[in-house]
Amino acid sequence: DAGVIQSPRHEVTEMGQEVTLRCKPISGHNSLFWYRQTMMRGLELLIYFNNNVPIDDSGMPEDRFSAKMPNASFSTLKIQPSEPRDSAVYFCASSYGQLYNEQFFGPGTRLTVL
Amino acid sequence: QKEVEQNSGPLSVPEGAIASLNCTYSDRVSQSFFWYRQYSGKSPELIMSIYSNGDKEDGRFTAQLNKASQYVSLLIRDSQPSDSATYLCAVRREAGTALIFGKGTTLSVSS
Repeated sequence: DAGVIQSPRHEVTEMGQEVTLRCKPISGHNSLFWYRQTMMRGLELLIYFNNNVPIDDSGMPEDRFSAKMPNASFSTLKIQPSEPRDSAVYFCASSYGQLYNEQFFGPGTRLTVL
Repeated sequence: QKEVEQNSGPLSVPEGAIASLNCTYSDRVSQSFFWYRQYSGKSPELIMSIYSNGDKEDGRFTAQLNKASQYVSLLIRDSQPSDSATYLCAVRREAGTALIFGKGTTLSVSS
């Protein structure tokens, strides 16, 4: 059974460019999470969706970041315009249900903004 | 105060020893607790979850929870070099809310 799928795995871009990260959750999972991981700040939640609806976006750092989940099998995280401080590994995770649900992580996208 | 705190390490143990990883959390109403293992350059993978006070054992791993002290730990018995990784403690306040992660403890097991 396929796990969480993320693309691209690596992205190198220049400051000011738009970046779009993609995620396909595990089939049947109804919660999806976007995290960012850096050495300084660790693993931080950016936003999460339940049944395709954004529930908590308090971790989104600023208006340059936006996330969508148009259907149960696809989500995007967009950064426009990108800045060097956005360089990090971005993980998508998914889970099923509400109580005691366990999250499964995708392989991550390593973003470098020059 | 950080919500979930872990010693960054590195924690170094010899092969075959017991590794003890600790985590404290600040929110008293937290209900669910998880340990994730993350190898360098890889994504976190769940190794243990615990919801009630006491111990929970799974193979060489034992998770311990003390809600009164707001403390959760992970013991790894018979440590192997393959256990060398960063261990992330995660806490959930209530069902349906997101996990809050500590920054992780790096474990190094020498052969």
